[in-house]
Amino acid sequence: DVKVTQSSRYLVKRTGEKVFLECVQDMDHENMFWYRQDPGLGLRLIYFSYDVKMKEKGDIPEGYSVSREKKERFSLILESASTNQTSMYLCASRIFRTSGSYRNYNEQFFGPGTRLTVL
Amino acid sequence: SQQGEEDPQALSIQEGENATMNCSYKTSINNLQWYRQNSGRGLVHLILIRSNEREKHSGRLRVTLDTSKKSSSLLITASRAADTASYFCATVGGATNKLIFGTGTLLAVQP
Repeated sequence: DVKVTQSSRYLVKRTGEKVFLECVQDMDHENMFWYRQDPGLGLRLIYFSYDVKMKEKGDIPEGYSVSREKKERFSLILESASTNQTSMYLCASRIFRTSGSYRNYNEQFFGPGTRLTVL
Repeated sequence: SQQGEEDPQALSIQEGENATMNCSYKTSINNLQWYRQNSGRGLVHLILIRSNEREKHSGRLRVTLDTSKKSSSLLITASRAADTASYFCATVGGATNKLIFGTGTLLAVQP
């Protein structure tokens, strides 16, 4: 079974702090993703990474950065936490395959989530 | 940007009944996926249907896809209390390969 783990289930930080959220997957997946989930807004993509040292902005990258130095680990960084970043953060990974010219965009495997509160 | 909208937003049924959730989306897709989320937890993938498929089954789950109407439905048969969760549809397609989620349906199965 694929396992995606996140460093903390619950985290409380103060405004202005630098916050690191870590995500590790154990199935050698190429793609990794960070989402935030808020009531009424669903899941929104913050950043994603196709492979090691690669990163792409998602729909709401402002106030966040990411790091992918190793294939199994994808870190989300809040440079200076603000109260509007209080949210549930979900990490996911996905294998990437191609069959000739056809790309298989398969399912994503999610971690348990980190509920971050910024005071 | 949200691709999918789900209907209903909330659904309450008795154990043993069937539950049907609908999803509509806006642009062309490569595939459509359904996920379940138990309260306060991560998402679990349930089933994937490709754009050239019309129906797919997995255990008590049945998914249909109508690309002409840009809609999908998820049917859970003989529901159980353990099926209580939020259900999300998500699409992959267009110019990117990102997974774009709907807002979800909250299903409550009463024992």
